[in-house]
Amino acid sequence: DGGITQSPKYLFRKEGQNVTLSCEQNLNHDAMYWYRQDPGQGLRLIYYSQIVNDFQKGDIAEGYSVSREKKESFPLTVTSAQKNPTAFYLCASSWGGLYNEQFFGPGTRLTVL
Amino acid sequence: GIQVEQSPPDLILQEGANSTLRCNFSDSVNNLQWFHQNPWGQLINLFYIPSGTKQNGRLSATTVATERYSLLYISSSQTTDSGVYFCAVELGNRDDKIIFGKGTRLHILP
Repeated sequence: DGGITQSPKYLFRKEGQNVTLSCEQNLNHDAMYWYRQDPGQGLRLIYYSQIVNDFQKGDIAEGYSVSREKKESFPLTVTSAQKNPTAFYLCASSWGGLYNEQFFGPGTRLTVL
Repeated sequence: GIQVEQSPPDLILQEGANSTLRCNFSDSVNNLQWFHQNPWGQLINLFYIPSGTKQNGRLSATTVATERYSLLYISSSQTTDSGVYFCAVELGNRDDKIIFGKGTRLHILP
């Protein structure tokens, strides 16, 4: 089945460690996105990528890094520079223009201890 | 920056009731979308609606861009409609960003 997957669903890390969240899609979408969601809040855009080997910062990129080496994959690294990394992270992809109908993955809940 | 405000913040209804959710935005936008997040966190795109009215089953949405608001109508609510409804606006050419409101949490009682 076509879709977008994120792994793992739950992730625990010690403070000061880098951690990489996986996002894979087999929808042949060009654009991919990473969002952060905090309790009781809407989503905030971290990074987005419209084509392979190109990506742009969103509103809250500090402390995060991404890569887009393959069309299907857009991993997000949460670095030790991110001051408050505990959150729910959502990956999305879309065809056509930027933010055109986005399909979301199931999310990864990251807890930093 | 642009403000996106959703109302009401919380809504509790009996199954079968109708509801109207509102999204106000403070500046002109390129596009507007409505999303539903179920209690397990999964987000689904409901409508991509820069202006006008669209309908999909029991749900419909209307955006009046000149007056900077959008409405989401849910008729004959079902318990599966529970969750959080977000609107999100795209700022367009001058700033390729998308801004989400804080959402309306809807709880449908059986």
